[in-house]
Amino acid sequence: QVQLQQSGPGLAKPSQTLSLTCAISGDSVSTNSATWNWIRQSPSRGLEWLGRTYYRSKWYNDYAVSVKSRLTINVDTSKNQFSLHLNSVTPDDTAVYYCVRDQQWLVLHYYMDVWGKGTTVTVSS
Amino acid sequence: DIQMTQSPPSLSASVGDRVTITCQASQDINKYLNWYQQKPGKAPKLLIYDASNLQTGVPSRFSGSGSGTDFTFTISSLQSEDSATYYCQHYNNLPITFGGGTQVEIK
Repeated sequence: QVQLQQSGPGLAKPSQTLSLTCAISGDSVSTNSATWNWIRQSPSRGLEWLGRTYYRSKWYNDYAVSVKSRLTINVDTSKNQFSLHLNSVTPDDTAVYYCVRDQQWLVLHYYMDVWGKGTTVTVSS
Repeated sequence: DIQMTQSPPSLSASVGDRVTITCQASQDINKYLNWYQQKPGKAPKLLIYDASNLQTGVPSRFSGSGSGTDFTFTISSLQSEDSATYYCQHYNNLPITFGGGTQVEIK
């Protein structure tokens, strides 16, 4: 059974960097049949996809335009985990952050079948 | 970006009722459309993938249909445990986007 365990602080100050980690059990971050995503949810923005990382003979990252200049997703294969680093945060980044596996069940066909429990992040001074 | 428009935003129905939610994409997304259920304080849960395929373990009262720009999600006989918010999500291209959600309440 695949599980995603999220960790990281629930509070960040404006202009700081928010860092969250997602540890994977039951699957490999290097798998060729999934992508590993960060999604956040807030009352104002709803469910918002932020970015993903995945391995297809080499590592790829994709980011939402809205956060592209501020977001980095890293992978630590030795710990089988991936992480989100969002810099220059503002109160508008306050949200519940989820790490999510997007499983490829057929070529070019995906579904988000495993979600972390979510981390409530508040940006406030 | 592809906009996903869900309707209604909320509904109230009785146990045993048939409930239908629609999701419209701002451009053709073929069948690259998934449906999720979210209960308060929990992460979304996959119910339907590729518009009409029932995820393993999900009760058969849930179903989906559609292709192109217009999709429908149906609960054939509403149960008390179905009180939740339901979201559609496309993955036709990046960015992946979600609908605004439909909150289903039990009368």
